[in-house]
Amino acid sequence: DQQVKQNSPSLSVQEGRISILNCDYTNSMFDYFLWYKKYPAEGPTFLISISSIKDKNEDGRFTVFLNKSAKHLSLHIVPSQPGDSAVYFCAAANNAGNMLTFGGGTRLMVKP
Amino acid sequence: DVKVTQSSRYLVKRTGEKVFLECVQDMDHENMFWYRQDPGLGLRLIYFSYDVKMKEKGDIPEGYSVSREKKERFSLILESASTNQTSMYLCASSEGAVNHEQYFGPGTRLTVT
Repeated sequence: DQQVKQNSPSLSVQEGRISILNCDYTNSMFDYFLWYKKYPAEGPTFLISISSIKDKNEDGRFTVFLNKSAKHLSLHIVPSQPGDSAVYFCAAANNAGNMLTFGGGTRLMVKP
Repeated sequence: DVKVTQSSRYLVKRTGEKVFLECVQDMDHENMFWYRQDPGLGLRLIYFSYDVKMKEKGDIPEGYSVSREKKERFSLILESASTNQTSMYLCASSEGAVNHEQYFGPGTRLTVT
C-alpha cells in the first residue's frame, strides 16, 4: 500500500499560468516533505522541501503548502514556464531516519 | 556540486545472468541508496547503506544484494537477473545522520531479456 500518493499522473498547463501538483500521504509519522523534479534521461533533482512545523515554504516561483490535518501537500509553480515540463515526485521522511518514501510522480507539461 | 555517477546508462542482460551496477559519489557522503523507478510506482527503495560495510533493506530487496567496501562506492547486484527486474535503477547519496536531501545519479536503464 503506497504511503505517498500523487493521484494525477499528468497535468497540462499554459505558459504563464499556475501549476498545482498535489500529494497525499497516510503515515502520520512523516514530518518532512520534499519535491523532486526529473527530466528524461537524468536523475531527480531536489526542488524544495518543508518541515511539518511549517505550513508554507517559498523559493522563487515555487511554493510548497502543507496541510497536516488533511495529510496533503501541494507544489505551486507561478508562473509556469516550458522548462518546467518534467516529472515531479513528492517524497516524505521521518525525522528519525534518512529514508525517503516517494509518490508515483506527476508529469507536468507546460505549453508555450 | 555533488556528483553521483553510475557505471552504465543502458544495460541489456539475459535472464539468469549476474548483474553488477556501480555507483560512485564524490562528496564524502555517509549515506547511499539504490532505487528502482517504474511507471506509476515512483521510486522504490531497494537497499541503503549508512556506512562502509553497513546496509539495510528497503521496501523491495528481494532478488538484490549490495556491497559497500569503500565510502564512495555502492554496488547493486542482481544475483540471477529476471525479466521483472527490467527497470530504471537510480543511485543516490546524502550527508549526515539525518539529512533528507538526496543527490541522484543519472540512472541505469536495465533490460533483462
